[in-house]
Amino acid sequence: GAVVSQHPSWVICKSGTSVKIECRSLDFQATTMFWYRQFPKQSLMLMATSNEGSKATYEQGVEKDKFLINHASLTLSTLTVTSAHPEDSSFYICSAQSVRGGQQFFGPGTRLTVL
Amino acid sequence: AQSVAQPEDQVNVAEGNPLTVKCTYSVSGNPYLFWYVQYPNRGLQFLLKYITGDNLVKGSYGFEAEFNKSQTSFHLKKPSALVSDSALYFCAASDDKIIFGKGTRLHILP
Repeated sequence: GAVVSQHPSWVICKSGTSVKIECRSLDFQATTMFWYRQFPKQSLMLMATSNEGSKATYEQGVEKDKFLINHASLTLSTLTVTSAHPEDSSFYICSAQSVRGGQQFFGPGTRLTVL
Repeated sequence: AQSVAQPEDQVNVAEGNPLTVKCTYSVSGNPYLFWYVQYPNRGLQFLLKYITGDNLVKGSYGFEAEFNKSQTSFHLKKPSALVSDSALYFCAASDDKIIFGKGTRLHILP
């Protein structure tokens, strides 16, 4: 089956620094990637939809200048949390949608802890 | 290893008939359980979740899900299917980290 990887799987950073999270589709091309945020035992929250070669579409309430998304190729999207603060600590999950069929595959997630 | 299983890749139901989308989980502790729906080219939308209490959980768009602890199942149900219910449905479990099933494509036949 299709595999989506995320790197890093976990990261701890100091407040005020920026963190980049990568999402890769390993064996298929993904025209669309989604970024989600999840707090423990809470529902996923869709942050943005990223289409290859174009600007991401952000959900209402998500600061696009704080959560920078780049989808430069059909296999890679990145989420950069800029000037991170402790309230940004969360579990970030990406998913990738294959070109054919619209099936969505999830990455394993990245746990971000901001001190 | 912890996992969520959706045994059916696709479920076909005639409009107006009841539908069931199956989900079982193998997660330690007492996880929260979720159902999400995905429409073409869209992100996931939350349908419902189970935390504790009544085993029958009601959610959006007339969907409900039944929690069965002994069978570790959380099947999604709807009494009367609509064509507009045709979509991809994901079951998920969350204790600390959220784990997804592979999804079930629901096709409602007019």
